[in-house]
Amino acid sequence: QVQLVESGGGVVQPGRSLRLSCAASRFTFSRYGMHWVRQAPGKGLEWVAVISDDGDNRYYADSVKGRFTISRDNSRNTLYLQVDSLRTEDTAIYHCAKDKYSFGYTPDSWGQGISVTVSS
Amino acid sequence: EVVLTQSPVTLSLSPGERATLSCRASQRVNIYLAWYQHKPGQAPRLLIYDASNRAPGIPARFSGSGSGTDFTLTISSLEPEDFAVYYCQQRGTFGGGTTVEIK
Repeated sequence: QVQLVESGGGVVQPGRSLRLSCAASRFTFSRYGMHWVRQAPGKGLEWVAVISDDGDNRYYADSVKGRFTISRDNSRNTLYLQVDSLRTEDTAIYHCAKDKYSFGYTPDSWGQGISVTVSS
Repeated sequence: EVVLTQSPVTLSLSPGERATLSCRASQRVNIYLAWYQHKPGQAPRLLIYDASNRAPGIPARFSGSGSGTDFTLTISSLEPEDFAVYYCQQRGTFGGGTTVEIK
């Protein structure tokens, strides 16, 4: 059973930065694309970013482009999301998710999520 | 960018009834559409991918159909654990969700 555990969330002031991590286990991490998806309070799911298995391909939602950076360390089985220039509208639960393929848009296993609150 | 419109927003049904959820895309997406179930405080769960393929471990009462711009998720007979929010998704876009609630 795939296991994905997010960490690094918290309460942060607008304009500041955070780095979210996602520890992956019970599957061959280096073979699959990975995603970040978020859910703001009272809202639906919003896709944030995807990275290919080898890290060479990365795509972002327009709402975070230029402020968020997705990366991975296959030697540590860990996915990251560097979130800079945070805005109040970035307040959300952030889920990492494994893709069904080496690169694609079919997240097939998800973590429980980590809370990020942006507030002064 | 594709816009996905889900209907209805809320579906009020009783256990044992059939649920039919719709997802309409603003442009043709071939068969590349997925459905997810999400319960509060839990990880979302992939139900259907490529419009009609059930993900591993998903009960047969869940089925997906459609192609092009119109897609449907059907739950043939609602079980108590099926009351949740359902999202369709195509590439980097999610629909707004349909809440299936107990009538």
